[in-house]
Amino acid sequence: GAVVSQHPSRVICKSGTSVKIECRSLDFQATTMFWYRQFPKQSLMLMATSNEGSKATYEQGVEKDKFLINHASLTLSTLTVTSAHPEDSSFYICSAQDRGRGQETQYFGPGTRLLVL
Amino acid sequence: AQKITQTQPGMFVQEKEAVTLDCTYDTSDPSYGLFWYKQPSSGEMIFLIYQGSYDQQNATEGRYSLNFQKARKSANLVISASQLGDSAMYFCAMGGSGNTGKLIFGQGTTLQVKP
Repeated sequence: GAVVSQHPSRVICKSGTSVKIECRSLDFQATTMFWYRQFPKQSLMLMATSNEGSKATYEQGVEKDKFLINHASLTLSTLTVTSAHPEDSSFYICSAQDRGRGQETQYFGPGTRLLVL
Repeated sequence: AQKITQTQPGMFVQEKEAVTLDCTYDTSDPSYGLFWYKQPSSGEMIFLIYQGSYDQQNATEGRYSLNFQKARKSANLVISASQLGDSAMYFCAMGGSGNTGKLIFGQGTTLQVKP
């Protein structure tokens, strides 16, 4: 149980275009999902907390107009990188918390590798 | 502010031997959770083990055990009988304050298991 999927797994786009990444909890409902960013050989950096039915909460230094987050249902959150630039190239990974399990464990999607040319 | 520290950038272990990955933390919250995740080269984050701050016993999950020393603020991961498939990056994380669900990650430790 506690499976989180992410789509696409890999995307290459031209500078200036927008890219949408989907994060789905497959076998549980997630009122809260999290979006992280990871550069090579580095740790995960939390970008934002996605709450179902309300606005996302962004971490300090993360541009909310650049990284649009929508959490339209209990099983789906999307991250849109708008007007992507080469410096946005990174590994984006989402997670969802299964509070029904009675602990705080977060389950992660397989991640999306974004390359902006 | 909360902080997680992993001081071992890289570790080597011989196959079938045990290895300990260090993790220290700092928080002023009385209630918190500690996690270990494994990240192989494919990038997925695999949940390994969880320890609640009020848990009386150290958590164990198969070959993984968490050596929780609350007074020292350490939560080391012990992997017994290492296997080649254990080679990966390992992250220690702590649940954020206020039960927000946020996780704060350490810098990670790269483990290489030698045949």
